[in-house]
Amino acid sequence: AQKITQTQPGMFVQEKEAVTLDCTYDTSDPSYGLFWYKQPSSGEMIFLIYQGSYDQQNATEGRYSLNFQKARKSANLVISASQLGDSAMYFCAMRGNAGGTSYGKLTFGQGTILTVHP
Amino acid sequence: SQTIHQWPATLVQPVGSPLSLECTVEGTSNPNLYWYRQAAGRGLQLLFYSVGIGQISSEVPQNLSASRPQDRQFILSSKKLLLSDSGFYLCAWSPGQASNQPQHFGDGTRLSIL
Repeated sequence: AQKITQTQPGMFVQEKEAVTLDCTYDTSDPSYGLFWYKQPSSGEMIFLIYQGSYDQQNATEGRYSLNFQKARKSANLVISASQLGDSAMYFCAMRGNAGGTSYGKLTFGQGTILTVHP
Repeated sequence: SQTIHQWPATLVQPVGSPLSLECTVEGTSNPNLYWYRQAAGRGLQLLFYSVGIGQISSEVPQNLSASRPQDRQFILSSKKLLLSDSGFYLCAWSPGQASNQPQHFGDGTRLSIL
């Protein structure tokens, strides 16, 4: 079974500073993908960044980067130069291959609420 | 480009009433489709997924059912709603089941049961 753990219920950061949101995972699938989603107060789930389990380099997308440490089974999200609009709930999620034990479903963590202060 | 539409945005229903939430995807064919439920302040729980017309898999036993009458249409239903069915319901799609494919979500439906 797959499991995602986000141990930070809430995080605070000053505008323009960087912040790291933690995510650890557990899976028996040899190949998997890790995702981060942003959920503003309006409710929609916005896909931010993806990291493949065999990727050698950490993924980056604009101000978002993923600090992937496979041996530690962690996939932390780093947001640089925080903006007020970054205030939202952030979810880490994992997806295995359809041929594995998870039939391609997405497993979510419990989320971290990020608040950016001016 | 692909888009996903979900409606209604909000719904208030009495206990024991029926439910029908609809989700449609545009700009792609044969998508994988998913229904999730999110309790307040919590993560998402997968309810149903579908890899093709008429093919529905249920993740958890519950009061709800799903149907896929057309390739890009996914419907979440109930014959009699319970108080515990309250929550935020999200529909999602992906082009396939590979681990490198993200799921893309609709705007969600906030369901309140009175």
